[in-house]
Amino acid sequence: EVQLVESGGGLVQPGGSLRLSCAASGFTFSSYWMHWVRQVPGKGLVWVSRINSDGSGTSYADSVKGRFTISRDNAKNTVFLQMNSLRSDDTAVYYCVRAMESWGQGTLVTVSS
Amino acid sequence: DVVMTQSPLSLPVTLGQPASISCRSSQRLVHSDGNTYLSWFQQRPGQSPRRLIYKVSNRDSGVPDRFSGSGSGTDFTLKISRVEAEDVGVYYCMQGTHWPPWTFGQGTKVEIK
Repeated sequence: EVQLVESGGGLVQPGGSLRLSCAASGFTFSSYWMHWVRQVPGKGLVWVSRINSDGSGTSYADSVKGRFTISRDNAKNTVFLQMNSLRSDDTAVYYCVRAMESWGQGTLVTVSS
Repeated sequence: DVVMTQSPLSLPVTLGQPASISCRSSQRLVHSDGNTYLSWFQQRPGQSPRRLIYKVSNRDSGVPDRFSGSGSGTDFTLKISRVEAEDVGVYYCMQGTHWPPWTFGQGTKVEIK
């Protein structure tokens, strides 16, 4: 069974940093692209970033480019999202998604003073 | 970026009756490989999204056959043949042809009358 478990969310002040992790199990992690998608509570889904299977290729939404960095450790079956220079409009639930098909339960990031 | 436009945004339905959601894209979604990467997701209240349909009309494993997807080019439809209580939630279309970014529709809220 595919399992994706996000962690690392929490309350952070504007301008601060946070690192999200997503631990994967139940499938061959190194074979799949991984994505982060976020959702402001009560609002729609917004794609944030993706990384290819070996980590050599990444893409970002314009709203996070230059502030967020996606990476992965295939030996530990984990994908990360390093979020710097956080703003209030980054407040959302962040989902880890395998190949835009299987979703984790999400982790809430709140940016507020 | 490809803009995905769903209608209606709210859909009250009677149990046992059919329901239909439209999704239109601002560009044709046929990829150079011949596939059309249009997916549908269901998000039940308090849950993570779940993919129902991929490549326009292919149901994911475990998805009831009352759900069907159709369309081509820029016009796509998700149909529920007979709505059940467990179908309440928000439905999103998403395109994965012209990336980045992957883009979602605004969501359609399905509720029981």
